Amino acid sequence: DGGITQSPKYLFRKEGQNVTLSCEQNLNHDAMYWYRQDPGQGLRLIYYSQIVNDFQKGDIAEGYSVSREKKESFPLTVTSAQKNPTAFYLCASSPTVQPQHFGDGTRLSIL
Amino acid sequence: GESVGLHLPTLSVQEGDNSIINCAYSNSASDYFIWYKQESGKGPQFIIDIRSNMDKRQGQRVTVLLNKTVKHLSLQIAATQPGDSAVYFCAENMQGAQKLVFGQGTRLTINP
Repeated sequence: DGGITQSPKYLFRKEGQNVTLSCEQNLNHDAMYWYRQDPGQGLRLIYYSQIVNDFQKGDIAEGYSVSREKKESFPLTVTSAQKNPTAFYLCASSPTVQPQHFGDGTRLSIL
Repeated sequence: GESVGLHLPTLSVQEGDNSIINCAYSNSASDYFIWYKQESGKGPQFIIDIRSNMDKRQGQRVTVLLNKTVKHLSLQIAATQPGDSAVYFCAENMQGAQKLVFGQGTRLTINP
């Protein structure tokens, strides 16, 4: 089945450590997105990419970085500069026209 | 700033009743709207969408209504079932933009 795979499902970060969240899609979608969701909140856009080797900052990009070397993959790195990284992270993809299809998320916590 | 919001953060209905979830948007340039359902610990799941050239669209047990005059969107779920319990988000897309703006969400609880 086509879909979006996020891994790991749970991730723990130590202080000062960078961690990378994986997102892979086999839907042949051009666009991919990363969102952050805090408890009881909506989704906030971190980064998005409309095409390979290109990406744009979303509303809350500080402390995060991404790469888009392959169409299928859009990994997100949560850097040590992100002082409040505990959240549920969601990856999505879409064809040129919406809607977006979501993975099942990675829950990041701080040790 | 431009944002999408929901009138009610929680909604409880009896099983078998109809549910109406509301959403207000403020960006008149938005031309595409989506409703998502999110179950606990999972990613949002697409339910139904509507473009601004329509005022109503129906799916299986769901109907979305769009009132551009008052910038209001609603999701109607007919004959609610226990499996409908989830958080529902509306999202808007501005014309020409490649990103969605999400509302806060409404938690729908179905009582037996």
